[in-house]
Amino acid sequence: QVQLVQSGAEVKKPGASVKVSCKTSGYTFTSYGINWVRQAPGQGLEWMGWISTYNGNTNYAQNLQGRVTMTTDTSTGTASMELRSLRSDDTAVYYCARRANLDYWGQGTLVTVSS
Amino acid sequence: DIQMTQSPSSLSASVGDRVTITCQASQDISNYLNWYHQKPGKAPNLLIYDASNLETGVPSRFSGSGSGTDFTFTISSLQPEDIATYYCQQYDNLPYTFGQGTKLEIK
Repeated sequence: QVQLVQSGAEVKKPGASVKVSCKTSGYTFTSYGINWVRQAPGQGLEWMGWISTYNGNTNYAQNLQGRVTMTTDTSTGTASMELRSLRSDDTAVYYCARRANLDYWGQGTLVTVSS
Repeated sequence: DIQMTQSPSSLSASVGDRVTITCQASQDISNYLNWYHQKPGKAPNLLIYDASNLETGVPSRFSGSGSGTDFTFTISSLQPEDIATYYCQQYDNLPYTFGQGTKLEIK
């Protein structure tokens, strides 16, 4: 069965970086892109960006340009998202989700940014 | 960016009621629209894709319709387990964008 399993919760100080991983299984990794979506506490869903697992092409949300990098490791079927220069308003649950239809999601990773 | 305007923001209904949520896109998105629900503490779950197609395993009381800019999501007979927040999402153009969400409660 298709599974996306994310890395564990993180606590970071403002200005630091965080890297969240998303290990996939149950399908051919390079057949579908991976999206990253975040959700601040009590808020709605915010699309962060997409990476092609086939060729590594990316598309990032304008408000995150310059601070976010998405990568893949096709040998392990893992996608990763790094966010730099963290601020308190980056505190959120971060999700990976497969393909444009977001048909399978990871369980979410809580990233808390606090001094 | 394409703006998705979802309404209402909250909704209270009784078990067995027919429930409708609407989503309007700021430009034509054809049928590139999905509907999700999200229960507290869980990841969102895809219910409807391509505006009107029921995802495998999703109960048939859920349905979607529309194309272009105006879309509707319906629960034909509300069940207690349907309590969640519902979101629409367009994937016609990057960046993908979500509606603001509709929090559904039982009366």
